[in-house]
Amino acid sequence: DVKVTQSSRYLVKRTGEKVFLECVQDMDHENMFWYRQDPGLGLRLIYFSYDVKMKEKGDIPEGYSVSREKKERFSLILESASTNQTSMYLCASSSPGTLGANVLTFGAGSRLTVL
Amino acid sequence: GIQVEQSPPDLILQEGANSTLRCNFSDSVNNLQWFHQNPWGQLINLFYIPSGTKQNGRLSATTVATERYSLLYISSSQTTDSGVYFCAVVSGSARQLTFGSGTQLTVLP
Repeated sequence: DVKVTQSSRYLVKRTGEKVFLECVQDMDHENMFWYRQDPGLGLRLIYFSYDVKMKEKGDIPEGYSVSREKKERFSLILESASTNQTSMYLCASSSPGTLGANVLTFGAGSRLTVL
Repeated sequence: GIQVEQSPPDLILQEGANSTLRCNFSDSVNNLQWFHQNPWGQLINLFYIPSGTKQNGRLSATTVATERYSLLYISSSQTTDSGVYFCAVVSGSARQLTFGSGTQLTVLP
């Protein structure tokens, strides 16, 4: 089974701190994604990557950056955390497959609280 | 961008009941997926269904692409079916999924 592992399940940080959220997948997937989930808003895409060292902005990239130095690892960085970045962060990966389906596999999520 | 609307937003059922969840989208799609998020936050893909009908045990899904909607059927619901159900789509040249806001399902014992 594809496994997507997020490094921290719960984090508490202070305003202004730099925050790293790590995500690793073990099935050689080309595509990786970072979403945030907030009540009533569903999942919103922050950044995604289709290859090593490549990144594209999603719908809400402001205040975030990403890094993909290795195919299996996709990191989300909050340069200076703010209280409005308190949220659940979800990492996902996919591969086109024979149908081009790009079926997403998600990690367990990282719940970040910024005080 | 494409709009994805799910209904109802909340649904409470007694164990053993059947239910239908709906996903409407505002443009033609080339990818549609249904997900279940359990109470602990883990999202699991249920179906990849850009068109047609699929079944997996007590769950089935139908997408009528020409009319821009998809339905998820849950039969003989169990308490473990509780959670949030999301529909997500890809339209046109976009390469990423756009999610609806979900249906919160609670199945009572």
